[in-house]
Amino acid sequence: RKEVEQDPGPFNVPEGATVAFNCTYSNSASQSFFWYRQDCRKEPKLLMSVYSSGNEDGRFTAQLNRASQYISLLIRDSKLSDSATYLCVVNRVFHESNFGNEKLTFGTGTRLTIIP
Amino acid sequence: DAGITQSPRHKVTETGTPVTLRCHQTENHRYMYWYRQDPGHGLRLIHYSYGVKDTDKGEVSDGYSVSRSKTEDFLLTLESATSSQTSVYFCATSPTAVNEKLFFGSGTQLSVL
Repeated sequence: RKEVEQDPGPFNVPEGATVAFNCTYSNSASQSFFWYRQDCRKEPKLLMSVYSSGNEDGRFTAQLNRASQYISLLIRDSKLSDSATYLCVVNRVFHESNFGNEKLTFGTGTRLTIIP
Repeated sequence: DAGITQSPRHKVTETGTPVTLRCHQTENHRYMYWYRQDPGHGLRLIHYSYGVKDTDKGEVSDGYSVSRSKTEDFLLTLESATSSQTSVYFCATSPTAVNEKLFFGSGTQLSVL
């Protein structure tokens, strides 16, 4: 099982609709979680961190469910400019690494297209 | 946006030749990373640096080496390029804590023929 799994999509959603997608992670020791956005042929950019209590940034809401080991991203009132690939990123702390005992794992991304 | 510049943006090379990719940052960020992105895989860490001359391996480091002689520059070298190293390479930085808020460069598309 992959450490981080996302539905690759594509999700084709009409403008103005609400869309949500999940990301599951396999290691319960995971500590922190992020959503990045990547436009076609561009670099990833941090969209938002995901906090235990859930957090909202404008039209975007992120949730964490530790019991079921998934995070979600909800986009309300979707805009054409929301079309992108959304990457789920999980930070896991473990002891055998030299890298500050942490490891970031990226999902393969969910592709979202907003249709006019 | 963080000032991270990658060069070259595109490169085509032949199997067996050495290749060096450059990442230059103007943000004075301590941590720098090299990732590769391939279809069907998430971004995978090749090497990272936690300071000048301080580097370590990531999860897919075989066939790659790095150097960081100045805070602002992080070089990735493919000693003898292979077709399996055809990929998009991203440099990233983070300012104060490892793995916190990565800022990415625009990427280098490398094709090894």
